[in-house]
Amino acid sequence: EVQLVESGGGLVQPGGSLRLSCAASGFTFSSYSMNWVRQAPGKGLEWVSYISSSSSTIYYADSVKGRFTISRDNAKNSLYLQMNSLRAEDTAVYYCAREGCSSTSCYFDYWGQGTLVTVSS
Amino acid sequence: DIQMTQSPSSLSASVGDRVTITCQASQDISNYLNWYQQKPGKAPKLLIYDASNLETGVPSRFSGSGSGTDFTFTISSLQPEDIATYYCQQYDNLLFGPGTKVDIK
Repeated sequence: EVQLVESGGGLVQPGGSLRLSCAASGFTFSSYSMNWVRQAPGKGLEWVSYISSSSSTIYYADSVKGRFTISRDNAKNSLYLQMNSLRAEDTAVYYCAREGCSSTSCYFDYWGQGTLVTVSS
Repeated sequence: DIQMTQSPSSLSASVGDRVTITCQASQDISNYLNWYQQKPGKAPKLLIYDASNLETGVPSRFSGSGSGTDFTFTISSLQPEDIATYYCQQYDNLLFGPGTKVDIK
């Protein structure tokens, strides 16, 4: 059974840092690209960052570029999101999501339960 | 950047009704369009990929169609457990639509 379990969320002051982790199990983690998606309270889904299976390709949403860093450790079956210079508008539930692909395109086929990040003084 | 719009933003329908949600892209995205269901307090769940392909295990009352810029998501017979917010997502830049909240009338 595919499982994705996020951790590391919490309350942080504006300008602070936080590192999120996503522990994967039930599939060959090193074969899949992964993503972080967030959802501010009462708002819609916002894609945050993408990392390919080998970490060779990385993308960020403009809203987090230069502040957030995505990484992975395939030996530990883990995905990370280092978040620096946090702002109030980064307050959200952060989900990790596995990227599955058909012959033509890709989609997020498994999601974790999410971890809440609150940026407030 | 490709922008996604969804309509309506919310709807109320009766059990057994046919429900239709539309998603429009600002430029041609071929069939690179996915649909997700998110129930309150839960993570999103993939329902449809590549515009019309039903994810394994998803009930057949859910369907999708369209290509290019205009896409449709349909629930053929609304069930109480379908109460959720539905999001489209285009794969080109991974952007999600704003969502459609579906309630029971």
